[in-house]
Amino acid sequence: GQQLNQSPQSMFIQEGEDVSMNCTSSSIFNTWLWYKQDPGEGPVLLIALYKAGELTSNGRLTAQFGITRKDSFLNISASIPSDVGIYFCAGLSGGGSEKLVFGKGTKLTVNP
Amino acid sequence: DSGVTQTPKHLITATGQRVTLRCSPRSGDLSVYWYQQSLDQGLQFLIQYYNGEERAKGNILERFSAQQFPDLHSELNLSSLELGDSALYFCASSVIGTTRGDTQYFGPGTRLTVL
Repeated sequence: GQQLNQSPQSMFIQEGEDVSMNCTSSSIFNTWLWYKQDPGEGPVLLIALYKAGELTSNGRLTAQFGITRKDSFLNISASIPSDVGIYFCAGLSGGGSEKLVFGKGTKLTVNP
Repeated sequence: DSGVTQTPKHLITATGQRVTLRCSPRSGDLSVYWYQQSLDQGLQFLIQYYNGEERAKGNILERFSAQQFPDLHSELNLSSLELGDSALYFCASSVIGTTRGDTQYFGPGTRLTVL
């Protein structure tokens, strides 16, 4: 089946640093989504991307839909302690299918 | 708070048993999705219902079944439970489930432990 390769698997950074994570796939996706999951909670949608090349921001978060439609990245600028959590990319291949395919996640730790 | 509710929050049971997980979608959402999250497999799509009808199937085992009722709440039934079924089970809902931009909102999950 379809798989998303998400990297890095984990990151340890200092407060104030910028963070970048990405997802790649061998398949084309029509929609890329980025979610954040806090311990004991369900994933929360951060950014949705619907068009190849699209660059979208949500506060300190910026994500891009790759031109090839096979990749996406998420940047977090000026990280703060509450950014701690697991970030997941997810893709939708479309064609009426709403099966979200998730990456394995990037665990972010921010040291104050 | 996403507006999606799931009960119970935790469930501990024994191998061979059967359990039912319940999900209430956000008000107005017609589509419900079930996902399984385990340490080794990550988040896996199980099944989607739209307005009471099954719409899409993912990696759902034959021992598992789901349904969506007229009031749009959904139940996921897991039977003949095995140790490997221990996982977090999430429900998500969206308004329609077919169009671009139709965001899926996740509930807080049910943590199932099979002993």
